[in-house]
Amino acid sequence: GEDVEQSLFLSVREGDSSVINCTYTDSSSTYLYWYKQEPGAGLQLLTYIFSNMDMKQDQRLTVLLNKKDKHLSLRIADTQTGDSAIYFCAESNSDSNSGYALNFGKGTSLLVTP
Amino acid sequence: EPEVTQTPSHQVTQMGQEVILRCVPISNHLYFYWYRQILGQKVEFLVSFYNNEISEKSEIFDDQFSVERPDGSNFTLKIRSTKLEDSAMYFCARGGTTQETQYFGPGTRLLVL
Repeated sequence: GEDVEQSLFLSVREGDSSVINCTYTDSSSTYLYWYKQEPGAGLQLLTYIFSNMDMKQDQRLTVLLNKKDKHLSLRIADTQTGDSAIYFCAESNSDSNSGYALNFGKGTSLLVTP
Repeated sequence: EPEVTQTPSHQVTQMGQEVILRCVPISNHLYFYWYRQILGQKVEFLVSFYNNEISEKSEIFDDQFSVERPDGSNFTLKIRSTKLEDSAMYFCARGGTTQETQYFGPGTRLLVL
């Protein structure tokens, strides 16, 4: 199957910006997503981007998409200790008859230190 | 948008037993999904369910698995004869108001002994 790759771990200081990177192989990906998972909790949809866009901003979150390089990044501005969690990159290949099955990366553990 | 709820939150079962995992309550949604996350591994797609039918399933979703929406509200995942390797967190997700979005429940942690 198609791959979604992420670095496993990132540590930043509180107040700094965090950048979490993701690469994918499916050239027909339609949507790309970032989900957040806190310990013992489910997956929270943070943001997503349509593949014909190259940037999306939502408050402290900025998503950048380089479709040519199949590279997605999530920037968190002014990172707080509450942002410590696992961040999953995911992609879907839309098919109106099948829904949008998500293909996830293994997740990046973000640790924010005071 | 509100997330789905899932029951039970935890289940321990003996190998070979049947388990039923539930999403409750759900109404007025067309798309539903089941995913699993084995400890330390990535979240994996199992099956999507659209308009009361399976629309897509992964290689993992073999004959041991089934899904249904028996009363038009609850959405269930049944594992007929559990194996040790079925131990995982199972997440239900529903489609959002736009088709491309999915909202996940808190998961059911299944442990097969």
